[in-house]
Amino acid sequence: NAGVTQTPKFQVLKTGQSMTLQCAQDMNHNSMYWYRQDPGMGLRLIYYSASEGTTDKGEVPNGYNVSRLNKREFSLRLESAAPSQTSVYFCASSPSDRVYGRTEAFFGQGTRLTVV
Amino acid sequence: AQTVTQSQPEMSVQEAETVTLSCTYDTSESDYYLFWYKQPPSRQMILVIRQEAYKQQNATENRFSVNFQKAAKSFSLKISDSQLGDAAMYFCAYRSGRSYNTDKLIFGTGTRLQVFP
Repeated sequence: NAGVTQTPKFQVLKTGQSMTLQCAQDMNHNSMYWYRQDPGMGLRLIYYSASEGTTDKGEVPNGYNVSRLNKREFSLRLESAAPSQTSVYFCASSPSDRVYGRTEAFFGQGTRLTVV
Repeated sequence: AQTVTQSQPEMSVQEAETVTLSCTYDTSESDYYLFWYKQPPSRQMILVIRQEAYKQQNATENRFSVNFQKAAKSFSLKISDSQLGDAAMYFCAYRSGRSYNTDKLIFGTGTRLQVFP
């Protein structure tokens, strides 16, 4: 029972390099999210996707792009990494059908990204 | 836009004692869900407790309970009989209800809880 799987777990980039963080869930959830976690800032929402084919900006979308490839996968891309994007990134998924009270999000293990 | 505020960056408690973590939120919505998540040093995000806004009864999960004050937009977490394993970062979170055409899930800045033997 994998749940939410994020890759990679650690990454060091040079300023200006690009990379894609991968996220996949096997719980048949409609909603998926990308967050960044910085000390004292909590989890800030970068982008989210309520269903396959739709994406919406969160609180801090600048410098990021996302793709909801299919229902299972939601990737986050940094086109030109900057030191300000050094952070821990979390992917999460959640059922969007809130009728039965199954509303909580399930999280991946996080990716620690350092941009030098 | 909805916001979640946790005004206590750090809290401490002695083992077996009770501690309360505060959370306030701002919203114009009437239908929503509130959560407390725990993040131990392993970085894993663990759901502690969930509250539906339409339910007047406060949620409880073993040693964890909430004080949900809808009019005051307050959602505090009480941990009874604290254990060393409760030491972690705790996050309060808000999600819009199914009445609204949005699926945002937003978090507060967190409270770091230390538990002393």
